[in-house]
Amino acid sequence: DAKTTQPPSMDCAEGRAANLPCNHSTISGNEYVYWYRQIHSQGPQYIIHGLKNNETNEMASLIITEDRKSSTLILPHATLRDTAVYYCIVRVAGSALNFGKGTSLLVTP
Amino acid sequence: EAGVAQSPRYKIIEKRQSVAFWCNPISGHATLYWYQQILGQGPKLLIQFQNNGVVDDSQLPKDRFSAERLKGVDSTLKIQPAKLEDSAVYLCASSLERAREHGYTFGSGTRLTVV
Repeated sequence: DAKTTQPPSMDCAEGRAANLPCNHSTISGNEYVYWYRQIHSQGPQYIIHGLKNNETNEMASLIITEDRKSSTLILPHATLRDTAVYYCIVRVAGSALNFGKGTSLLVTP
Repeated sequence: EAGVAQSPRYKIIEKRQSVAFWCNPISGHATLYWYQQILGQGPKLLIQFQNNGVVDDSQLPKDRFSAERLKGVDSTLKIQPAKLEDSAVYLCASSLERAREHGYTFGSGTRLTVV
């Protein structure tokens, strides 16, 4: 059973920020929050992960609430190439990733 | 660095035939995973290896699926005999043991169609 809840689909206009929410209300203290995405016909691609603090890399930002029960992945300037299924996963370090159904993000011109 | 290599890219077989998939992980990655992804669903873990030992195969249908990782590098996943419901993309992934909090890298997968 996936430990996260995500909306099944979202739209975003090209050039705007895409904010993808994830609920993980039963997260444990030693579980990280990971985000992956899967573009059509490709394997999942790692985006970012965090434990408590907000994180930023060249792809995205991850905002984790203080109680760690939810998080938001932010793509600051979405492009058409960001159209993909985005998976939010909670995981203890070293364990396998368990994927849910994710959020299908459509970026429109 | 080179990514996770998988072959073949596509395979079509008839039900009750056997099939094998091959995976070459990123050099130095001790942990290797096989996932099954049915159309419209997220990937589902089949088996996890640490070097050449099995860590978790609880979701592997052992009556027809088998996997091995000889010498702790390449891995093969076999299905014998195949059923129609085995039609899916089979994904291989690998990760560094010493960077356990990091995510892992997936290959592009093998798309299996059973007719």
